[in-house]
Amino acid sequence: AQRVTQPEKLLSVFKGAPVELKCNYSYSGSPELFWYVQYSRQRLQLLLRHISRESIKGFTADLNKGETSFHLKKPFAQEEDSAIYYCAISDSGAGSYQLTFGKGTKLSVIP
Amino acid sequence: GAGVSQSPSNKVTEKGKDVELRCDPISGHTALYWYRQRLGQGLEFLIYFQGNSAPDKSGLPSDRFSAERTGESVSTLTIQRTQQEDSAVYLCASSFDGGPPRSTFGSGTRLTVV
Repeated sequence: AQRVTQPEKLLSVFKGAPVELKCNYSYSGSPELFWYVQYSRQRLQLLLRHISRESIKGFTADLNKGETSFHLKKPFAQEEDSAIYYCAISDSGAGSYQLTFGKGTKLSVIP
Repeated sequence: GAGVSQSPSNKVTEKGKDVELRCDPISGHTALYWYRQRLGQGLEFLIYFQGNSAPDKSGLPSDRFSAERTGESVSTLTIQRTQQEDSAVYLCASSFDGGPPRSTFGSGTRLTVV
């Protein structure tokens, strides 16, 4: 069974400091990984997916199959980055994008 | 509508009662997903619809849970004989082509079983 672990429930950083939100996964096949974000009083939304190899709002995430990790990084945190971040893995081989989510990390950026 | 709509936004029910939660997806989205988020937990997949069919209902936790979708649009999640452990936020999401939900999650229904 696939599993996603986000070891940090809370993470506080100062504005301008680098941010790394950790995500480790277990999956037997070829996974597809995602990061979702929920800003205060807003709906959950997709931030980025590993196959796109994109940078969204300055965030990047690299899939490391050797370490089974998909950590989310940003070199300089901004106050508006404060939110809850969820790492997720899909079992698209099953014919649907059934996502398994981690428990989330709440990021607080201190001004 | 502009996004996925869920109703009610909050529901308090007595243990043992049945509840119905509704999801209106974005028009034209063929795929619809239900998730559950218990306090302090990640989102748990419940069921996936493609059109009006549910090819993947593996996440439904027990036979007290059922869901249907009609007209390739509205979906209803029904929980019978509610238990306290059913208390959670129930989220619905839709996507155009069965891909992963993007900015298309509803705001959820917070269910409290007392």
